[in-house]
Order: sequence, then C-alpha cells, then structure tokens
Amino acid sequence: GAGVSQSPRYKVAKRGQDVALRCDPISGHVSLFWYQQALGQGPEFLTYFQNEAQLDKSGLPSDRFFAERPEGSVSTLKIQRTQQEDSAVYLCASSGGRIDWTGRGVYFGPGTRLLVL
Amino acid sequence: AQSVTQLGSHVSVSEGALVLLRCNYSSSVPPYLFWYVQYPNQGLQLLLKYTTGATLVKGINGFEAEFKKSETSFHLTKPSAHMSDAAEYFCAVSKNTDKLIFGTGTRLQVFP
Repeated sequence: GAGVSQSPRYKVAKRGQDVALRCDPISGHVSLFWYQQALGQGPEFLTYFQNEAQLDKSGLPSDRFFAERPEGSVSTLKIQRTQQEDSAVYLCASSGGRIDWTGRGVYFGPGTRLLVL
Repeated sequence: AQSVTQLGSHVSVSEGALVLLRCNYSSSVPPYLFWYVQYPNQGLQLLLKYTTGATLVKGINGFEAEFKKSETSFHLTKPSAHMSDAAEYFCAVSKNTDKLIFGTGTRLQVFP
C-alpha cells in the first residue's frame, strides 16, 4: 500500500478487557516496529520484528502485552486485561531494513488511540 | 545507553521569524539522528536525518539541522516560520539499527 495503516484508529476499552491492534506495513518492508506514545510524551519502543521473527521485545511493559507477525507482513499487538495506564497512542512503523543498508528511514502509521476506562 | 533531550516543551514564534528547536543526544558511538514532525491525529513524518557525511542536513518544508559532535547537538532550524509549521517535533537517535529513541517532543506554535 501507499503507507503504513493501522486499525482501529480509536478504541475504548473497559478495564480488564482484551484488545487487539492491527498494523499493515508498507508492502515489502522487512522491519516492523511498535511504539507506545503516552499523552505529552515521545514514542517509546515496544517491540521489533524482522520478517516474522520478533528480534527485540525489550520495551513491552508487562506480560500482558503480546505482539505477533506470523507471515512477515501484518502485525497484531494484543493487550490482555487492559489497565488505565495502558491508555496511549500505539504507533506502528515499518522500514525496508537496516538504515545503513537502505538509508531511507522508518515510516510511521497514524496510530491507534486506546482509552481504557 | 542512548538518550535524547529536547530543551523546551513549547516554543512560540511569529510567522516569518526564525524557528530553533533544540536537541541534544548522548550516545556511546556515533549515532544516527532524526527529526520527525507530528501533526494532530497523524503519524510521525520524517523531516530529515543525519547518518554520515555532511553535517548540515536539509530536509523537507525548508527545515535543516546541523550535527555538532563537539556539542552533542542536532538542533532544528527554519529561517522563516509559516503557520503550517505548527505541530509537534520529535528528535530521535538510533545506533546502527532502525530502532529509534525519541525525545519528549517540542510543540511549535506559530502566531500571525
């Protein structure tokens, strides 16, 4: 596609509910990233995939957060038993590969705004 | 460990005035440096990046930034602000990968 797309754009969940956030990266992009952006803050890294392999999940805040990319394209970020502190914008990004290889940088989707009540 | 500090969470300028958004980084190795812009309800858009080579980098919309290793800085400038420049700006650093470490952002307001 033309860019990174994410769905839903907005999600309201009750505390304790499970949610699933979807990311469609740019076609052919090898790398996919998830970031969490709390209100008034910069994005913070959650996890990184290269194709279907999850190479870095050091930013996932708890075991309630789980991400997958089973076929190396679409990715889903799942949050179980949501808490109020999970309220944030979740950004997905993709890139063609390592920046010292492509030099073209990372492209971000519009984000999913999650509000946990 | 890498980190990014953006001085000033809010910057206000008049239309036509110079824009200066400050970014300092810490990194144990020469970093890759980026500026992203975020308009309301939109994703982050790459303004410019420094990887290697010339330390003065020109980006989109008339913005430029200079990598100063001695000052560990990568400040963003634009000679003349336009109303459409009003947005949130994020400085970011990475080290030989696409994983980005972001600053907390600077909101730019432009007054007529």
